[in-house]
Amino acid sequence: DIQMTQSPSSLSTSVGDRVTITCQASQDIRKNLNWYQQKPGKAPKLLIYDTSNLATGVPSRFSGSGSGTDFTFTISTLQPEDIATYYCQQYDNLPSFTFGPGTKVDVK
Amino acid sequence: QVQLVESGGGVVQPGRSLRLSCAASEFTFSTYAMHWVRQAPGKGLEWVAVVAYDGSNLYYADSVKGRFTISRDNSKNTLYLQMDSLREEDTAVYFCARARIIVAPFTHWGQGTLVTVSS
Repeated sequence: DIQMTQSPSSLSTSVGDRVTITCQASQDIRKNLNWYQQKPGKAPKLLIYDTSNLATGVPSRFSGSGSGTDFTFTISTLQPEDIATYYCQQYDNLPSFTFGPGTKVDVK
Repeated sequence: QVQLVESGGGVVQPGRSLRLSCAASEFTFSTYAMHWVRQAPGKGLEWVAVVAYDGSNLYYADSVKGRFTISRDNSKNTLYLQMDSLREEDTAVYFCARARIIVAPFTHWGQGTLVTVSS
């Protein structure tokens, strides 16, 4: 099975800062990597699919890049409403749709 | 807009069964693959199972294979998860989620239903 790791597990930052999260797969997943945002008590929300494509209605301050085993998620200018936990997810290897362990983003 | 509403959660003893439902509306349910994803209290997301748009293909996580059964009734716009031989480690919020096809991003999610397995 493919394992996913994320770094960091949590970060404290300031509104207006640039936030970068990395996600690594245990084997090549090409570009089959999605990013989800989850706020406390809420369902996850798809932000980015296929590594770098913004889901419908998602602000352009969110972006993603990478391929193979190494991926990056970026928030260019953190807004207060971006406080959440972010998960990467691979879907290259049926029947597994592995999520990363998550990165909790909060404000200092 | 797309709506997915889970129900059927509750408290159940280890070894017992429970069936979850996910009622879909505001889209053509019969043309989408559907997933179950769970989240243990304070933990991350774990994919559970997926069913193709017509019920023809089913896949399960190893942790639930042989105990859980995913199914759908397209005439009722409803997804199900039959959970048998429940264990304490199955305690989680269970979400249903929609995808265009089996191997595709999960574009819409329900709000979740809590299952607690405890004696």
